[in-house]
Amino acid sequence: DAGVIQSPRHEVTEMGQEVTLRCKPISGHNSLFWYRQTMMRGLELLIYFNNNVPIDDSGMPEDRFSAKMPNASFSTLKIQPSEPRDSAVYFCASSYQLADSYNEQFFGPGTRLTVL
Amino acid sequence: SQQGEEDPQALSIQEGENATMNCSYKTSINNLQWYRQNSGRGLVHLILIRSNEREKHSGRLRVTLDTSKKSSSLLITASRAADTASYFCATEPYTGANSKLTFGKGITLSVRP
Repeated sequence: DAGVIQSPRHEVTEMGQEVTLRCKPISGHNSLFWYRQTMMRGLELLIYFNNNVPIDDSGMPEDRFSAKMPNASFSTLKIQPSEPRDSAVYFCASSYQLADSYNEQFFGPGTRLTVL
Repeated sequence: SQQGEEDPQALSIQEGENATMNCSYKTSINNLQWYRQNSGRGLVHLILIRSNEREKHSGRLRVTLDTSKKSSSLLITASRAADTASYFCATEPYTGANSKLTFGKGITLSVRP
């Protein structure tokens, strides 16, 4: 298995531009998580999905952030408009969860976003 | 908000020495997990310990859990330069389809050759 795939790996954009990050989870996994990592705040959970349905988006910073999961093999995280404070590494992770299973998560390599 | 808080924030040891990292948490948990992150990479799952377990081993890793103190420790024995990484504890409050993990801020481990 290729693992969790994220694209792009690096993104440099200017303030005000729209940014779209993409994630392909591990085939067969039914849960998907978007995280943001910065030195100051550490690893923050932004939103997660189970069976393509958003479960908890309380970590999404503000309305400029949105996430979708149109099918089991693809998710996007969009920032519109982007701001310099959005600069961070964004990780996507997936796991296979059943009623009594443990949430062992598999992380992608991350997207390093720089907003100028 | 952070559930797990690791201690120390940074640790530097000589190759061959043991590394002990601690994690404290605030609310009840179903299990606690440790992850490693190499520079520029995603996190990788190392080991999981259930709330009804006290100690678990995996290769050179030993993890303990004290639910009365709400704390866990990760011991890496006979450390190697390749163990240089950041280590995170993560807690899961319950199992199930809608469960999530809460990560600490991590410990930076440097192993000097």
